[in-house]
Amino acid sequence: DTAVSQTPKYLVTQMGNDKSIKCEQNLGHDTMYWYKQDSKKFLKIMFSYNNKELIINETVPNRFSPKSPDKAHLNLHINSLELGDSAVYFCASSQGGIEFEQYFGPGTRLTVT
Amino acid sequence: DAKTTQPPSMDCAEGRAANLPCNHSTISGNEYVYWYRQIHSQGPQYIIHGLKNNETNEMASLIITEDRKSSTLILPHATLRDTAVYYCIVRSLTGKLIFGQGTTLQVKP
Repeated sequence: DTAVSQTPKYLVTQMGNDKSIKCEQNLGHDTMYWYKQDSKKFLKIMFSYNNKELIINETVPNRFSPKSPDKAHLNLHINSLELGDSAVYFCASSQGGIEFEQYFGPGTRLTVT
Repeated sequence: DAKTTQPPSMDCAEGRAANLPCNHSTISGNEYVYWYRQIHSQGPQYIIHGLKNNETNEMASLIITEDRKSSTLILPHATLRDTAVYYCIVRSLTGKLIFGQGTTLQVKP
């Protein structure tokens, strides 16, 4: 009964490919997020969805497209993968409102060769 | 978004209290102070958060100064499993969690 789950855990692919990372939460939260942690370990928010609507969109290349089919899922699709996309991607969820904590998934380590 | 300043690293003896400081002098009235930790390469784990009052839960205590310009996270009895990077974050009204470099806490036997 994992709260926030991500698949796959590891993803190795070649430059130019298109790949997706899936995220699901069973906490009944209405807000979900994607974060990227690069090789220097900095964690940066990429996107946030509230009730399937995009509410935060940081300066992320448009090769990255989040998709929220329902409140419990927020998938990340990446087109034309580049070497610099190699990182660990974390999904998170929370209730709406800054007074509520975010719960993070275990991460997906993406390696682009 | 308010910025936080934390020492890059700290050591603590196992069984002793670990006190992790954080400065957030530009915090505004409606912004919360959040603490997360990240053990090795796992997902960040929520610890505690507060607005003005001190807070305590099963993991830690959060002491916020009266002027709210700084706070201290207290792990009352540190164990080896508490070795992690601890992030102090001021969460703005946009809802974003902006992670800094954090403090690497090393708990030693």
